[in-house]
Amino acid sequence: TQTVSQSDAHVTVFEGDSVELRCNYSYGGSIYLSWYIQHHGRGLQFLLKYYSGNPVVQGVNGFEAEFSKSDSSFHLRKASVHWSDSAVYFCAVSTSSGQKLVFGQGTILKVYL
Amino acid sequence: GGIITQTPKFLIGQEGQKLTLKCQQNFNHDTMYWYRQDSGKGLRLIYYSITENDLQKGDLSEGYDASREKKSSFSLTVTSAQKNEMAVFLCASSITPSSNERLFFGHGTKLSVL
Repeated sequence: TQTVSQSDAHVTVFEGDSVELRCNYSYGGSIYLSWYIQHHGRGLQFLLKYYSGNPVVQGVNGFEAEFSKSDSSFHLRKASVHWSDSAVYFCAVSTSSGQKLVFGQGTILKVYL
Repeated sequence: GGIITQTPKFLIGQEGQKLTLKCQQNFNHDTMYWYRQDSGKGLRLIYYSITENDLQKGDLSEGYDASREKKSSFSLTVTSAQKNEMAVFLCASSITPSSNERLFFGHGTKLSVL
């Protein structure tokens, strides 16, 4: 069974700062990794996903994530955050053998003006 | 584009009550899901359905029933609400059951049990 861990429950930055939200997973086989964003009172929205190929994947609104097999990680980054990026971010994993998406606990990102 | 509509947005129930949450999607997606979201615990899969009249249990199915009578709708029943229970239930859909498909989510139903 795959697991996913987001080590930071809260991250606080100022507008214009760069940010990295961490995600680590455990699974020995082929894995799909994705990030979702949830604004307050809304459902989750897909940001990006990785399965194979270039380990750096680009998503919407300037987000990117980098896969590292050696670190078992899929951290999300943004070079310059906007106040509207304040939300909860979820990392999720699924497997090629068909196991459904398993979500991390989420990281609350607060961006101050 | 499509939309996933969850009703009601807020649901207040009594301990022991049977409560039903509804979800409609107009994406024409095959697969639909119900997740439970508790503060600080991420999302946990309750039930999913890969096509009309199909039901598959997730990790948290005990205490819940589900029904997929039409391709566009997927309902979830809390069989006996627990006192002081508070959670958000999220419905989602995907084009196929494939594990690499992205999910589209509704805005959620917030449940409070008195």
